[in-house]
Amino acid sequence: QQQVKQSPQSLIVQKGGIPIINCAYENTAFDYFPWYQQFPGKGPALLIAIRPDVSEKKEGRFTISFNKSAKQFSLHIMDSQPGDSATYFCAARLKAAGNKLTFGGGTRVLVKP
Amino acid sequence: DAGVIQSPRHEVTEMGQEVTLRCKPISGHDYLFWYRQTMMRGLELLIYFNNNVPIDDSGMPEDRFSAKMPNASFSTLKIQPSEPRDSAVYFCASSFGGSSSPLHFGNGTRLTVT
Repeated sequence: QQQVKQSPQSLIVQKGGIPIINCAYENTAFDYFPWYQQFPGKGPALLIAIRPDVSEKKEGRFTISFNKSAKQFSLHIMDSQPGDSATYFCAARLKAAGNKLTFGGGTRVLVKP
Repeated sequence: DAGVIQSPRHEVTEMGQEVTLRCKPISGHDYLFWYRQTMMRGLELLIYFNNNVPIDDSGMPEDRFSAKMPNASFSTLKIQPSEPRDSAVYFCASSFGGSSSPLHFGNGTRLTVT
């Protein structure tokens, strides 16, 4: 019940395309869902986050869609750029476990020029 | 702020040797996390501390792994003896507060055990 399943494992799009990354969870006690972006040789960095009482959140070209009933959430990268090429991780936090995050398996996104 | 600082960036060692990874969290942060990243298992939480006290070490693979946080500005992750299957990138992260504050990751230590 602590798992977060992420798909696809990798994604290739042309510049301007909209890569979509999906995550699913089982534990309804998760209360916070961040996305992290990781570039090669670097640690992950927080990109955007959402709480389950909100169905959508936008920050710049990044949008999270959240479907509480389906226990799924997704990241959309609008007007993707080559600089967005990175590995993206979804995560979920169980409030009762403090600030401990469970990460999805990651999606490697390549945006071709 | 310099961010979370990890050392060394790369470590190559032989099976059976002791390995010590080091982390300096961001000043003022009260949570510290050690994660391990591999292709097969992704990002796994090994252990985390709150105010220098270990809170959850359920992710530590086995007794060969140990972690300490002697003060608010320093933590170590030790593997003794090391094995080839320990080869991975080890990340340290810190955060302020126990709510939805973001984790700030270091750039990791790439460990290779031959």
